[in-house]
Amino acid sequence: GAVVSQHPSWVICKSGTSVKIECRSLDFQATTMFWYRQFPKQSLMLMATSNEGSKATYEQGVEKDKFLINHASLTLSTLTVTSAHPEDSSFYICSGKNGAGSTEAFFGQGTRLTVV
Amino acid sequence: GQQLNQSPQSMFIQEGEDVSMNCTSSSIFNTWLWYKQDPGEGPVLLIALYKAGELTSNGRLTAQFGITRKDSFLNISASIPSDVGIYFCAGLSYNQGGKLIFGQGTELSVKP
Repeated sequence: GAVVSQHPSWVICKSGTSVKIECRSLDFQATTMFWYRQFPKQSLMLMATSNEGSKATYEQGVEKDKFLINHASLTLSTLTVTSAHPEDSSFYICSGKNGAGSTEAFFGQGTRLTVV
Repeated sequence: GQQLNQSPQSMFIQEGEDVSMNCTSSSIFNTWLWYKQDPGEGPVLLIALYKAGELTSNGRLTAQFGITRKDSFLNISASIPSDVGIYFCAGLSYNQGGKLIFGQGTELSVKP
């Protein structure tokens, strides 16, 4: 399968600071990238969908000004958690698809964010 | 919105036993995917199903896309300790813009 690399794998930050998470497709062009959030023992909750060169589409209830998504190239998407609070602590995972018609999505390793 | 109901939520089995889990939906999906997630890692794709009625195997894993396109099952035969993890089904609907909708997950524990 295709490889998606996500960094960092874990990060601890202070309340009020911003954190950037990178998601790179290593061997394919990810025209669409998805960002998920996962709480312990729960399923993946889709936060937003981004298509290269376009603004991200956010799911209902997700604050677009808090979770900034950039998808400036076909191999890189970033999620920035702005003014982080302890309740933002979670496991964030990205996935990429190659083309609108592609039906397989490949996931990054995830990022464990802890806000103290 | 579309929802997937995955069952069982958890399973505790003995090494060597077969395992079966399934997902159902109230609406139709165009593609069904099965993923496995290890602790602290992202999901890894196991099997992808594209046609109603399709039965696909990947080693000891077998999955089927239901005829009604509203359900899918995953079987694991002769389980081994490294099968431990959380298994997710995911459905893709063109009506949802290609988004994956995930089931709640099945946590599998295998006793050696």
